[in-house]
Amino acid sequence: SQQGEEDPQALSIQEGENATMNCSYKTSINNLQWYRQNSGRGLVHLILIRSNEREKHSGRLRVTLDTSKKSSSLLITASRAADTASYFCATFGNEKLTFGTGTRLTIIP
Amino acid sequence: NAGVMQNPRHLVRRRGQEARLRCSPMKGHSHVYWYRQLPEEGLKFMVYLQKENIIDESGMPKERFSAEFPKEGPSILRIQQVVRGDSAAYFCASSPGLNTDTQYFGPGTRLTVL
Repeated sequence: SQQGEEDPQALSIQEGENATMNCSYKTSINNLQWYRQNSGRGLVHLILIRSNEREKHSGRLRVTLDTSKKSSSLLITASRAADTASYFCATFGNEKLTFGTGTRLTIIP
Repeated sequence: NAGVMQNPRHLVRRRGQEARLRCSPMKGHSHVYWYRQLPEEGLKFMVYLQKENIIDESGMPKERFSAEFPKEGPSILRIQQVVRGDSAAYFCASSPGLNTDTQYFGPGTRLTVL
């Protein structure tokens, strides 16, 4: 069964706005990771947050993790057209990644 | 340092044929993972291999699918007697031995079964 569920499933915003995506999971984790996938392409690793961390930043990305609620959020600030892609959260446990269903983000120029 | 290589990038097979997907991990990586992505879905874990060993194949279908990672050469995901439902993108990832939580993904092989 899917470990992670992202919401929203799809999100369209104007260029320059901030985009927030959420991910919920079911079991305990070692860490949670976010990936980006451009249409028809492979995955690009964005950021990893460990279970003992609450927040992490990388450039325009901000990730939070709430292990009590089993949820994470990805914030992309000052969005650009190039941010248009699908974004997946993935939990790591038992030596493998379990992916969510993804959020399809569209940035309108 | 080349990334994870997969070939072919696109593969078309007719029902009943065999599909062989290859994955060369990043240099120095001894762990390989295969994931499958159906259209409009997230990736699903299939199998985790180290050189000459299958560590976890809990995500592999019981029939027609097999994987290997020989001492020399790439990892191979083999699908026998393909059916239309096998049409998907198959991604390989690799990691170094100690830090398996950071996996580097290849570009994927898109399999289409006619």
